[in-house]
Amino acid sequence: EAAVTQSPRNKVAVTGGKVTLSCNQTNNHNNMYWYRQDTGHGLRLIHYSYGAGSTEKGDIPDGYKASRPSQENFSLILELATPSQTSVYFCASGESDWGVEQYFGPGTRLTVL
Amino acid sequence: TQTVSQSDAHVTVFEGDSVELRCNYSYGGSIYLSWYIQHHGHGLQFLLKYYSGNPVVQGVNGFEAEFSKSDSSFHLRKASVHWSDSAVYFCAVRLPGTGSNRLTFGKGTKFSLIP
Repeated sequence: EAAVTQSPRNKVAVTGGKVTLSCNQTNNHNNMYWYRQDTGHGLRLIHYSYGAGSTEKGDIPDGYKASRPSQENFSLILELATPSQTSVYFCASGESDWGVEQYFGPGTRLTVL
Repeated sequence: TQTVSQSDAHVTVFEGDSVELRCNYSYGGSIYLSWYIQHHGHGLQFLLKYYSGNPVVQGVNGFEAEFSKSDSSFHLRKASVHWSDSAVYFCAVRLPGTGSNRLTFGKGTKFSLIP
């Protein structure tokens, strides 16, 4: 069974502060993804990665950076957090050859005050 | 650009009833389709997928989905639902050959049972 973990699980940040959300996967998948989930919007892709050292913009990248230092780890960085970034964030991993099936972490609930 | 729509925001039935959760997509060519389930407070879990072949695909826990090219649909069904099926269900699409394996998700259908 695929294993994707996220930390922290809950985070309260102040406006203008820096926030780093971390994701680790033990599946040896090449691809990793960051989504945010908001009521009425479903899941929206923020950034994704093909492998260590690569990051790509998703559908809503503004205000976010990503970092993939290794096969296992993929971070989402909010340099200057804003209240509009209050959301639940999900990390996922998937194989590169048949990427329909993605494995999701448990989510991080971020509140920006 | 592909889009995916789930027309029902909320579906409720009695335990033991059948259920169909609807998904329609807009794209003219071949497409990967899948369904995910999200229990409250958890991440999404893969249920099933379709790309080609038999238009009816089986998933876990008695779920199945049927692809219809003429209707641009990929509806999810279950013959007899159980309390543990209460969750939010997401339909997702992906275009083949894009290399990124990016998924576009619908907004989700919240499925619950009438007590």
